[in-house]
Order: sequence, then C-alpha cells, then structure tokens
Amino acid sequence: NAGVMQNPRHLVRRRGQEARLRCSPMKGHSHVYWYRQLPEEGLKFMVYLQKENIIDESGMPKERFSAEFPKEGPSILRIQQVVRGDSAAYFCASSPSGGDYGYTFGSGTRLTVV
Amino acid sequence: AQSVTQLDSHVSVSEGTPVLLRCNYSSSYSPSLFWYVQHPNKGLQLLLKYTSAATLVKGINGFEAEFKKSETSFHLTKPSAHMSDAAEYFCVVSDKDTDKLIFGTGTRLQVFP
Repeated sequence: NAGVMQNPRHLVRRRGQEARLRCSPMKGHSHVYWYRQLPEEGLKFMVYLQKENIIDESGMPKERFSAEFPKEGPSILRIQQVVRGDSAAYFCASSPSGGDYGYTFGSGTRLTVV
Repeated sequence: AQSVTQLDSHVSVSEGTPVLLRCNYSSSYSPSLFWYVQHPNKGLQLLLKYTSAATLVKGINGFEAEFKKSETSFHLTKPSAHMSDAAEYFCVVSDKDTDKLIFGTGTRLQVFP
C-alpha cells in the first residue's frame, strides 16, 4: 500500500500562473481532505471531498481556488492566477470513513510563487 | 465547536530527559484526539489517537498521552528524549459534526545533546 501520494513535491509558479496539485488517496479510502500550512503556522482546513462530491469547502478562498475528486483519477487542487500569498505547503489526507479515526497524510506539495 | 490549545509554542529538552508537550481541548461531546508529528520539510505522521477506549494511549517511538476529562487535557509525554524527536508536534481534535480535524498551532520540540 503506497500511502497517500502527492505530486509534485515542489512547485514553483510565477505570479498569475496556474498551479495544479494532485493527490492519490490510499487504496480503499474514499474521503479526501486538503489542508494548507503557511510558514510557521499550523494546518488550516480547506476542503473535504468524496468521490465526485464536494462535502465541505468552507476553508477554501472564494476566488481562484477549486478542488475536485473525480470518479477516476486523483483529487486535484487548482489555484488560478497565483499570488505570493499562496506560497505554502499543501497537504492532502485521506480516510476510509471520515475523520474520527484520523487521517493518513501525504508528504505535501510545497508551492512557491515568485 | 471543538478546539485544541497547545500551551507551549517551543519546548527544549536535553537528550535523555523527559518530554512533556501540553494540550488542552474543548469539546461539547466525548472527543477523538490525536497527536501528529512533522519533521522538517516532511509530511505529518500519526503518533497516537484517543477514541474513548483506554485513557492512557501508547503511540509510536515511545510516546504516550493521557486523556484527562476532569482537566480537559491530552498531554504528550516520553520518558527519555532522543535527538531524532526534534520536530513539530500537533495536537488535533476531530469534529464529528463535520468530519474535519482541527489542529492546534503546534509545539516545536528541540533536543540538545
């Protein structure tokens, strides 16, 4: 079992470009969560998805950010027209049935906007 | 609403001495609580979890935590620190209404030789 796979590990984008972050959950996990960690801060919830459905996107900025978890393939977090303030580590986690038993986290994607 | 408060942003210990990382929680029901560790530039690893079974929870790498309802605490301890324990530690509570994990602000543990 390969665990939660995130790619790329590091991503550099110029201001105004698009960033696409991918997350493949653990085998058998149908719940995916995205968290953002700003430098020297804890993790902040962004969005919770199940296959083909967004369950909770209360932590997502209203503009430029979107997420999907299609029937086939990885979950994608998409950031359009990136700005310097989007520079952060983005972590994906998965669970088989909700957060009550904890999640398994991926190693994260570190986005740097230059 | 559920929340956790990590009482120390930084803790420094000498190698071989005990570790205590403090966490208080707030929850309107019996909580599920977790400790995660994050080594520099790495992902998060689950150390241990409490889900209303035994109040003393043993985790990986010699860590354990005790759930104390009367004190609303879930402190993380280890009898003897190792250099490899230097990392950021997060106390986390599960929000059962939303299926989200709520993270504390983290405690950075430094271990000196």
